[in-house]
Amino acid sequence: GQQVMQIPQYQHVQEGEDFTTYCNSSTTLSNIQWYKQRPGGHPVFLIQLVKSGEVKKQKRLTFQFGEAKKNSSLHITATQTTDVGTYFCAGPSFGNEKLTFGTGTRLTIIP
Amino acid sequence: DGGITQSPKYLFRKEGQNVTLSCEQNLNHDAMYWYRQDPGQGLRLIYYSQIVNDFQKGDIAEGYSVSREKKESFPLTVTSAQKNPTAFYLCASSIGEKKLFFGSGTQLSVL
Repeated sequence: GQQVMQIPQYQHVQEGEDFTTYCNSSTTLSNIQWYKQRPGGHPVFLIQLVKSGEVKKQKRLTFQFGEAKKNSSLHITATQTTDVGTYFCAGPSFGNEKLTFGTGTRLTIIP
Repeated sequence: DGGITQSPKYLFRKEGQNVTLSCEQNLNHDAMYWYRQDPGQGLRLIYYSQIVNDFQKGDIAEGYSVSREKKESFPLTVTSAQKNPTAFYLCASSIGEKKLFFGSGTQLSVL
């Protein structure tokens, strides 16, 4: 079955440093979605990428979808304490309505 | 105020007991999902439903059952056949392959 892996599993950064998480799927994805889950909370949708090679920005967050539509990345510039949480990528394979979530990257910030 | 309501927030199950987790949405979404999250891990799909009176097994359906008699409701029953039920259960809804809206979750523990 489809597998979606993320690296790293954990990342500790000093406040103000940059952060990147990488997402890799075993199958080609029709789209990729990113979610953020704060400690003790539920996942909240951040963004969806659909086109091969697509890049989208949300303030300090930059999202990329790979040319082969099998990988994606999320980059945060100059992290802040509000960025703390676990970031998940998720995507359906073509012809499959099920959304498979990645293993997640947990970000902690050292003030 | 539109959204997804999960209840209860905390639930305890005795040995051999079936328990039911409630999920109600007033977003008028056709699709609803149940995910299981274990500590420090990603989300795994239990069951999903694209339309009323129809549902499909996800990746870890064994020991669980669902019903979809109404568009707004998708209850999950954790049966006694589920030998390791302790986890955080998340219900979500969506329109097609669009973003998922999650409820606040139910933490299930075994007494």
